[in-house]
Amino acid sequence: DAKTTQPPSMDCAEGRAANLPCNHSTISGNEYVYWYRQIHSQGPQYIIHGLKNNETNEMASLIITEDRKSSTLILPHATLRDTAVYYCIVRVTLYGGKLTFGQGTILTVHP
Amino acid sequence: GAGVSQTPSNKVTEKGKYVELRCDPISGHTALYWYRQSLGQGPEFLIYFQGTGAADDSGLPNDRFFAVRPEGSVSTLKIQRTERGDSAVYLCASSLGQMNTEAFFGQGTRLTVV
Repeated sequence: DAKTTQPPSMDCAEGRAANLPCNHSTISGNEYVYWYRQIHSQGPQYIIHGLKNNETNEMASLIITEDRKSSTLILPHATLRDTAVYYCIVRVTLYGGKLTFGQGTILTVHP
Repeated sequence: GAGVSQTPSNKVTEKGKYVELRCDPISGHTALYWYRQSLGQGPEFLIYFQGTGAADDSGLPNDRFFAVRPEGSVSTLKIQRTERGDSAVYLCASSLGQMNTEAFFGQGTRLTVV
């Protein structure tokens, strides 16, 4: 699986959009980009995934650059409950298969 | 319950002892995963089951660690001769096992070896 690089920490004001970047410059054509988050003392939670098109669901939007070497997770209206560690993961699409977590980005949402 | 259940939530054991950690996946999920997480680190993959068989056990650190899933549902992670370095949160996750389906994680078992 390709390696990802994320900033160690970010801050965001409540109600504002949080834009979390991820670099995956060695991604290959059959690898998807996944985002999970982990709120303190809980297990990770799936957010969204995509291959090359932008994706949106009820939690977030995922913007993938045309060359697929980077992506941005957007939380459109951050709340205090969005304070968590956000993990960007790249993996080959499989029927199952492991997720390789890095260090992630600690997002702190301030009142 | 609707989610992945792990028991116990906390386990303290003495160095050298044997421990078993249990995971009850979401009903109908064929894929089951074990991870462990040390303080300040992301989860580290241990083993993945598809049904009853271990499809990938490349993350098990050594032969003191073993996991089973005899009926394709509940799984037990077994650690022999525990060491202080085994102290971590052990996370279990399950998924439908179909292409690109999300993994649902339990709350984890915090293992402390003293």
